[in-house]
Amino acid sequence: AQSVTQLDSQVPVFEEAPVELRCNYSSSVSVYLFWYVQYPNQGLQLLLKYLSGSTLVKGINGFEAEFNKSQTSFHLRKPSVHISDTAEYFCAVSVTVLGAQKLVFGQGTRLTINP
Amino acid sequence: DTGVSQNPRHKITKRGQNVTFRCDPISEHNRLYWYRQTLGQGPEFLTYFQNEAQLEKSRLLSDRFSAERPKGSFSTLEIQRTEQGDSAMYLCASSLVGGDTQYFGPGTRLTVL
Repeated sequence: AQSVTQLDSQVPVFEEAPVELRCNYSSSVSVYLFWYVQYPNQGLQLLLKYLSGSTLVKGINGFEAEFNKSQTSFHLRKPSVHISDTAEYFCAVSVTVLGAQKLVFGQGTRLTINP
Repeated sequence: DTGVSQNPRHKITKRGQNVTFRCDPISEHNRLYWYRQTLGQGPEFLTYFQNEAQLEKSRLLSDRFSAERPKGSFSTLEIQRTEQGDSAMYLCASSLVGGDTQYFGPGTRLTVL
């Protein structure tokens, strides 16, 4: 069965510093991978996704992620964070069920940006 | 494209009462998903529809839970005889058939007292 582990429950960083949020997945088949962001009291917004092709994926708000098949990882990075990046970040893997893609999420990483 | 909408945004109820939530997907999306998110956790899949057909239900969806999508457009999720353990954020998402991305609504936060 597919599963996702986000290695850090909380990551505090200073504004304009770089950040990496770690995500490892387990799957016996090819996967689609996603990062979503959730601001307080809101739903999930897609940051980026990996379907196939280039292992470096660029998303919105200056975020990027690198798919590493040998390490089964999909870490999220941003070279310089802003106060507005404070949010919860979720890594997810898709599981195909009866033709539809069900998402399996990690536990989330709370990113806190300090001025 | 107005996005996925959910109503109500917040619901407070007493244990034992029934509650119903509504989800309106993006208009051309024929797949609709329900997830539940408890405090400090990632969302967990509950069920999904393709058009009006409910094609899968998670074991998390006990007999007290029922979901419908009668005309293949909006969907409702009903919880009967609510328990305190039902307190969570209920998220709805939609996608196109063959689409690789699910678009989420703002969620309905349920508090059972």
